[in-house]
Amino acid sequence: DAGVIQSPRHEVTEMGQEVTLRCKPISGHDYLFWYRQTMMRGLELLIYFNNNVPIDDSGMPEDRFSAKMPNASFSTLKIQPSEPRDSAVYFCASSDTNYGYTFGSGTRLTVV
Amino acid sequence: KNEVEQSPQNLTAQEGEFITINCSYSVGISALHWLQQHPGGGIVSLFMLSSGKKKHGRLIATINIQEKHSSLHITASHPRDSAVYICAVPHNTGNQFYFGTGTSLTVIP
Repeated sequence: DAGVIQSPRHEVTEMGQEVTLRCKPISGHDYLFWYRQTMMRGLELLIYFNNNVPIDDSGMPEDRFSAKMPNASFSTLKIQPSEPRDSAVYFCASSDTNYGYTFGSGTRLTVV
Repeated sequence: KNEVEQSPQNLTAQEGEFITINCSYSVGISALHWLQQHPGGGIVSLFMLSSGKKKHGRLIATINIQEKHSSLHITASHPRDSAVYICAVPHNTGNQFYFGTGTSLTVIP
C-alpha cells in the first residue's frame, strides 16, 4: 500500500488565488481527516469525513475553506481566496474504525 | 487548559542518552497515540496504546490510564531520532484527536 497520498508537496501562490489540496486515503479506511500545522498553533483538526460524509467541520477557519470527498478514494481541501495567514503545512490522514491511523506527507502551502 | 499537555517542549541530548518525553491528558480515552515528525517531513504514527507498554526497536511507550499519563522513551538516542514527538488522544467521539503541542528533540553527535 502506498499510504496516504497528498498532492502537491509544495504550493506557492499569491494572495487572493484559489488553492486546491488533494488527498488519496488508504484503501479501506473509512475516516479521512484534514489537519493544519503551524508553528504558533501546532496541529489542528480542520474537518473529518466518515464514509465520504463530512462529520465535523468546526475546525474549518472560515468560509474561505471548503472540503469535499466525492468518493472513498479522493478528497480535496480548497481555499478561496487564499491569504498569507493560511500559510501552513496541511496534512491529510485516514483511519479505520480500529484507530489505525496514517498521515500523508503533507502539503506545504505558502501564500505570498 | 489544554486537554493534552506535553513536556518538555524542547529537549537536547547527547548521542547515546536515554530520553523521556511525557504526556498528560485530562479526557477519558480508549487509546493514546505517539507521533513523530522529522524536520520538513511528514508525520508517522509510532505507537497506539491503551494499556501497559509497547516497544519498537529503541522506542518504548508506556501508559497509565488511571493517572492519565503516558511516556515515550528512547534508549541509546541517535541524531536520526531528532524530530518532533507529538502525543495525541482521541476525542470521545473516537475519531477526532486532541494533540499536544509537541516535544522538539535534538540529539547531538
